[in-house]
Amino acid sequence: GAGVSQSPSNKVTEKGKDVELRCDPISGHTALYWYRQRLGQGLEFLIYFQGNSAPDKSGLPSDRFSAERTGESVSTLTIQRTQQEDSAVYLCASSLSGITYEQYFGPGTRLTVT
Amino acid sequence: AQSVTQLGSHVSVSEGALVLLRCNYSSSVPPYLFWYVQYPNQGLQLLLKYTSAATLVKGINGFEAEFKKSETSFHLTKPSAHMSDAAEYFCAVSRTGANSKLTFGKGITLSVRP
Repeated sequence: GAGVSQSPSNKVTEKGKDVELRCDPISGHTALYWYRQRLGQGLEFLIYFQGNSAPDKSGLPSDRFSAERTGESVSTLTIQRTQQEDSAVYLCASSLSGITYEQYFGPGTRLTVT
Repeated sequence: AQSVTQLGSHVSVSEGALVLLRCNYSSSVPPYLFWYVQYPNQGLQLLLKYTSAATLVKGINGFEAEFKKSETSFHLTKPSAHMSDAAEYFCAVSRTGANSKLTFGKGITLSVRP
């Protein structure tokens, strides 16, 4: 079956612009996670969705970052007024449920802020 | 709080040699532990996971890892390296229960010399 997909694969934007990153999880997966991978760093957790609610937003770095999820489907991560330090690969993962430990990762969106 | 330490950023081995990638964790609750592999320009793929069953876990591509509670370690090994093993390897920890968000180490790049 289809895996987790993300779009766009690459995004270059100017400092101060807003960007939207999209994640399509595996069908039937109720849990969805966003992570950020900055150059030379491990992955940082951003936000967790169970269905369309987000019980854990503790990793969002500032109020410029927000995310939403439609039902148990698509999620969008929005970054407002982008800064150069937002440049990173943004990865999305999904799993059957929040207590199912195997997460399936998408290929990521590489964001470059100039 | 949970954390993962992967000492060093790069390991180089000869083809056919033993691969040993170290991972130590810190967790206030019984952890679940994972190794993920990331090939160039690809998403993360789960190699293996420890979820409180057998302490010696076998994964894909001939890799295995042993959970040692007394040492808070979960080192990854493979008896004989192959050129195709060259990639970046991430160790990660999660809690049991709902919200299985992953806390990652910084990753180790494995190079395999012919």
